[in-house]
Amino acid sequence: QKEVEQDPGPLSVPEGAIVSLNCTYSNSAFQYFMWYRQYSRKGPELLMYTYSSGNKEDGRFTAQVDKSSKYISLFIRDSQPSDSATYLCAINTGGFKTIFGAGTRLFVKA
Amino acid sequence: DAGVIQSPRHEVTEMGQEVTLRCKPISGHNSLFWYRQTMMRGLELLIYFNNNVPIDDSGMPEDRFSAKMPNASFSTLKIQPSEPRDSAVYFCASSSRGHGQPQHFGDGTRLSIL
Repeated sequence: QKEVEQDPGPLSVPEGAIVSLNCTYSNSAFQYFMWYRQYSRKGPELLMYTYSSGNKEDGRFTAQVDKSSKYISLFIRDSQPSDSATYLCAINTGGFKTIFGAGTRLFVKA
Repeated sequence: DAGVIQSPRHEVTEMGQEVTLRCKPISGHNSLFWYRQTMMRGLELLIYFNNNVPIDDSGMPEDRFSAKMPNASFSTLKIQPSEPRDSAVYFCASSSRGHGQPQHFGDGTRLSIL
């Protein structure tokens, strides 16, 4: 079993839709949770960074962590064509090593 | 603020040649990471430096791969001799001091070995 599981998609939605991206993980020691956005031919860009359970909101983006279920989510409200990218979840125990999901490709159609 | 800077952005070379990838981390960051990204395997950690010292190189695939960090503002990843299966996008990332700090990535070097 992989430490982090993420559906690679692709996920295609119409402009304005609410997008839900998810990851599951296996190690309950993970404490730091991140979401990265990667545009084609660019490096991963940090979107959200959270510690422990709960929600964090930043504009149209909401990150949600449920440690009891070992499940993390990223919600995008009012999705735009410019949100089309690959989204990677990433988790860390507090040490140096961050485990990345495989990434979900998202397409937002105008 | 300048982010992580990598060079070259693209490299095409023939099998057997030496390849050197370069990275300048974000000023003040004390941790540096080299990753390789492919469609099949995603992001793979190759090596991690802390305060210019290699801490974990267990991800380096073979002895053909080597990495150095001579000072806090520069690191290299070298492949010698290169092989077609080394073709991938190589990313450098850096993070600041502290547990669980997020990593910040450069835009990568797209490497093609013919």
